[in-house]
Formats: sequence, C-alpha cells, structure tokens
Amino acid sequence: GAVVSQHPSWVICKSGTSVKIECRSLDFQATTMFWYRQFPKQSLMLMATSNEGSKATYEQGVEKDKFLINHASLTLSTLTVTSAHPEDSSFYICSARGTGASYEQYFGPGTRLTVT
Amino acid sequence: GESVGLHLPTLSVQEGDNSIINCAYSNSASDYFIWYKQESGKGPQFIIDIRSNMDKRQGQRVTVLLNKTVKHLSLQIAATQPGDSAVYFCAGEGLNSGGSNYKLTFGKGTLLTVNP
Repeated sequence: GAVVSQHPSWVICKSGTSVKIECRSLDFQATTMFWYRQFPKQSLMLMATSNEGSKATYEQGVEKDKFLINHASLTLSTLTVTSAHPEDSSFYICSARGTGASYEQYFGPGTRLTVT
Repeated sequence: GESVGLHLPTLSVQEGDNSIINCAYSNSASDYFIWYKQESGKGPQFIIDIRSNMDKRQGQRVTVLLNKTVKHLSLQIAATQPGDSAVYFCAGEGLNSGGSNYKLTFGKGTLLTVNP
C-alpha cells in the first residue's frame, strides 16, 4: 500500500515551453502533497506544499507564477513548469501524506526534466 | 531557520561490516526524524523513523539513535550488503514558512558504497 506515482518519469522540452508533471496517490487519499526539486548530487529541496482544494504554500525563493501547482483531488496534484529554461532542468519529486494521523510522507519515483 | 546536515559526505565499507551514518540538526522544535535511502534516479525510500520522545528505534538490520541534547541522530546498518549502496538522507520535520503545514527538511546526504 501507500504507492505514489509520477508521470512522466522523464521529459525533454524546449526552452520557453511549459511542461506538466502529475503526482498520484494510487491507493490512499492524500490531503497534503509536497513538491521537491533535486539537482545532481544535492539534497531534496521543498518547493511547495499543497492541500487539496486550497492554494499551495510556496517556500521562500520559489516563484509561484513559474511553478504552478494544482491539487484538485485527494489523489492528484500537478506541477506545471511554465516558460521552462535550462536552469529548470532537475529531478522533481512529489510526496503525499494521507488523511490519517501518520506523519509519514510517501514519495513518488521522481520526474527527470531536461530543458534544451 | 531549521537545517539538517550530515558530517560525512561519503562512506565506504566492506560487505558484512556495520555502517554508521551521522546527522546533525539545528531546530530543537523538530519532533520527528526520518532516514531515507535513495538509489540513483529514484525517489527516496523510507527506512526508519523516530519521534523525539524516543532515543532509539530498531528495525530490520537498521537502528536509529537520537540524542536531543546535542541534536544528533545516526543510522546504523548491520551487516551491510552491496544492495545497501545508495545515498542516505536524514530529514527532520518542522513547520513550513507559512506556519500552516509541517514540512521535511533534508540533510545533504551521505553516499554509502559497499565493497564486495
């Protein structure tokens, strides 16, 4: 149980275009989902926290107009990187927390974004 | 602000040896800590967690020790195997920038290499 999927697993896009990444909780309902970014040989950095049905809370330094997050249902959150640039190339990872009392976050497998 | 860091960026051990990975944290308000394993190109995998009201927790071949006095935690892996080779992250949980959600702050990571 507690499986989180991401789609696509990797994507290549041209500079200036937008790309959408999906995060799904497959066997549980996720009231809260988190989006992280990880550059090579670095740690995971939280970008934003999204609660179902409300606006996402972005971490300091993360542009909310560039990284659009939608958490429209208890099983799906999307991250759209708008007007992507090569410096946005990174590994994007989502996680989900269920509706119970557990603290645990369940992580997705990640999406490798390459902007050319 | 909260930060979680690691003392050693790399650790190389022989198969069968015990491994110890260390982590320091700065936020004394953190009350939940987790160790994750991340293999190349994959999302983090939960290993073991510990609440601040405990100082030791054991799992299968893994033990986490928490010393709140010096804000330090460690992950011990017994009888390390080649399949344990990965990057290991500690993470501590605290409030996000908006104060509305709890978030994980990850340490820098330690690359564990197990030599056969």
